[in-house]
Amino acid sequence: AQTVTQSQPEMSVQEAETVTLSCTYDTSESDYYLFWYKQPPSRQMILVIRQEAYKQQNATENRFSVNFQKAAKSFSLKISDSQLGDAAMYFCASTGGGADGLTFGKGTHLIIQP
Amino acid sequence: NAGVMQNPRHLVRRRGQEARLRCSPMKGHSHVYWYRQLPEEGLKFMVYLQKENIIDESGMPKERFSAEFPKEGPSILRIQQVVRGDSAAYFCASSPRSALGYNEQFFGPGTRLTVL
Repeated sequence: AQTVTQSQPEMSVQEAETVTLSCTYDTSESDYYLFWYKQPPSRQMILVIRQEAYKQQNATENRFSVNFQKAAKSFSLKISDSQLGDAAMYFCASTGGGADGLTFGKGTHLIIQP
Repeated sequence: NAGVMQNPRHLVRRRGQEARLRCSPMKGHSHVYWYRQLPEEGLKFMVYLQKENIIDESGMPKERFSAEFPKEGPSILRIQQVVRGDSAAYFCASSPRSALGYNEQFFGPGTRLTVL
């Protein structure tokens, strides 16, 4: 079965600083996709960034970038120049595992200190 | 272009009643996914449907839960004889094609079900 593990229940960072959220996954699939979703207090799930496993280049979206280590099955999210609006729950997710839906980690609560 | 719509946003039921949650996918999307989020947890996949077909229900509880996506109208997640453990946020997502390959799932705002 597919598993996604986020080992940091909560992280705190000063505004304008950089923070890295960790995620590891376990899959037997050869082709899969990895995602980071943001869930603010409104509970709306917002896609932050995605990575295709067959691509070695790390995905980047403005202030958000990933460090994808396929052999280690690691997929961390780096947020640069943190802003107050970045405060939210962040979920790592993957495709594959035999089901058509996404498999999510338990989330990391990101706090931005002004 | 409206996003994925779910209603109601909040639903309160007493134990033993039925809960019906509705999801209207984005325009042009024919694939719908339902997820459940328990408190302090990530989302858990429940079921994947295309119009008039259940494709994958590997995450659905065996009893009391059912889902449909008719040719016309929204997708419905139905929970019969609700129990307190069903209290959760239920999210719907839609995509234009299968989840296989890169096809982003767009999420609705969720329905928060509270069972008294």
